[in-house]
Amino acid sequence: GAGVSQSPSNKVTEKGKDVELRCDPISGHTALYWYRQSLGQGLEFLIYFQGNSAPDKSGLPSDRFSAERTGGSVSTLTIQRTQQEDSAVYLCASSPDGLAGGRTQYFGPGTRLTVL
Amino acid sequence: DAKTTQPPSMDCAEGRAANLPCNHSTISGNEYVYWYRQIHSQGPQYIIHGLKNNETNEMASLIITEDRKSSTLILPHATLRDTAVYYCIVRANAGGTSYGKLTFGQGTILTVHP
Repeated sequence: GAGVSQSPSNKVTEKGKDVELRCDPISGHTALYWYRQSLGQGLEFLIYFQGNSAPDKSGLPSDRFSAERTGGSVSTLTIQRTQQEDSAVYLCASSPDGLAGGRTQYFGPGTRLTVL
Repeated sequence: DAKTTQPPSMDCAEGRAANLPCNHSTISGNEYVYWYRQIHSQGPQYIIHGLKNNETNEMASLIITEDRKSSTLILPHATLRDTAVYYCIVRANAGGTSYGKLTFGQGTILTVHP
């Protein structure tokens, strides 16, 4: 079946512009996670959705970052007034049920964001 | 979540078994051991996970010591396509505030050479 998809695959923007990154999780997966990976850095957690609710936003680095999920499916990560330090690969993962132990997360290919 | 320790890099000859170690001495009784890998420019790929017992699937085997303080991921016949960063992650049950999020360390860079 189809895996997690993300769009765009690459995004180049100018400092100060807003960007939207999209994630389409695996059909039926109720849990959705956003991570980011900066150059030379490990993957860091950003936000977790269970259905359309986000009980854990602890990884969002600033109030310029926000995310929403609609219909328990597609999620959009929005970065306002982008800065050069926002340049990274943004990864989305989905899981059948984030509330149960042992649930595997499946990752998308990521969106590479470059802020000039 | 418990912290893990992995060697920064390892080499393996093509066709041989690759044995990747991971220490997780502070693991709790309800925490699972997960392995993911990330091939260059791709998203992380799930490999295998376990709680206490050894596990095997089509990709790899996972050996967990009896005290659960360490584990080894075994790729039985490594190929050039197995060159990647391998992450060992210990994850709490999703009850409570962890919500199942994964905490990635620096991982082990495995290089498979001809």
